[in-house]
Amino acid sequence: GAVVSQHPSWVICKSGTSVKIECRSLDFQATTMFWYRQFPKQSLMLMATSNEGSKATYEQGVEKDKFLINHASLTLSTLTVTSAHPEDSSFYICSARKFPAASYEQYFGPGTRLTVT
Amino acid sequence: KNQVEQSPQSLIILEGKNCTLQCNYTVSPFSNLRWYKQDTGRGPVSLTIMTFSENTKSNGRYTATLDADTKQSSLHITASQLSDSASYICVVSASWAGGTSYGKLTFGQGTILTVHP
Repeated sequence: GAVVSQHPSWVICKSGTSVKIECRSLDFQATTMFWYRQFPKQSLMLMATSNEGSKATYEQGVEKDKFLINHASLTLSTLTVTSAHPEDSSFYICSARKFPAASYEQYFGPGTRLTVT
Repeated sequence: KNQVEQSPQSLIILEGKNCTLQCNYTVSPFSNLRWYKQDTGRGPVSLTIMTFSENTKSNGRYTATLDADTKQSSLHITASQLSDSASYICVVSASWAGGTSYGKLTFGQGTILTVHP
């Protein structure tokens, strides 16, 4: 298998607070992890790409100081939404690519529903 | 600009019937095309992955086709079941970016399939 988990599965927080979302590859090592955001009835939008031990690469228009990504090990990446606002409410999904990258496959996590009140 | 267009946007069919979903892409240079199934509130699950040299691939009741010349793909679902109700997303990957080990994915908007009893 190739299982990716996310924690929490849903979170409600107050405006101005920070929220951390974890993405773990449970049964494989991940060279690269990706963070996506998905708004209702829209497709996934790539926010950033993180490689273990190096800084994340953010997509155009994504604020790196607001969405902090840490890929500290080959099995864990975290996304911290700092000073959250209601417009940050969304479905956040991570995916992971195996190490070594012998296939094209990305394995997606189950997603985290963030609601900012 | 790399783009993936899917049609129809939504589809309603009766249980037991077959259906075909379409995907057109303009991603270059092409690496592979994937079809994912995404249940509401869940992360995408891979159905098929096809490279340039493959023109058909099956996964149970799901059969994907690829015409790399016309840059079109289809996903055929046979003998639909209620559990097939989901969003089906066509995703195209560009070739590996130079010496780095990631290939950026371009997502279609998805086709929302509803299977009625």
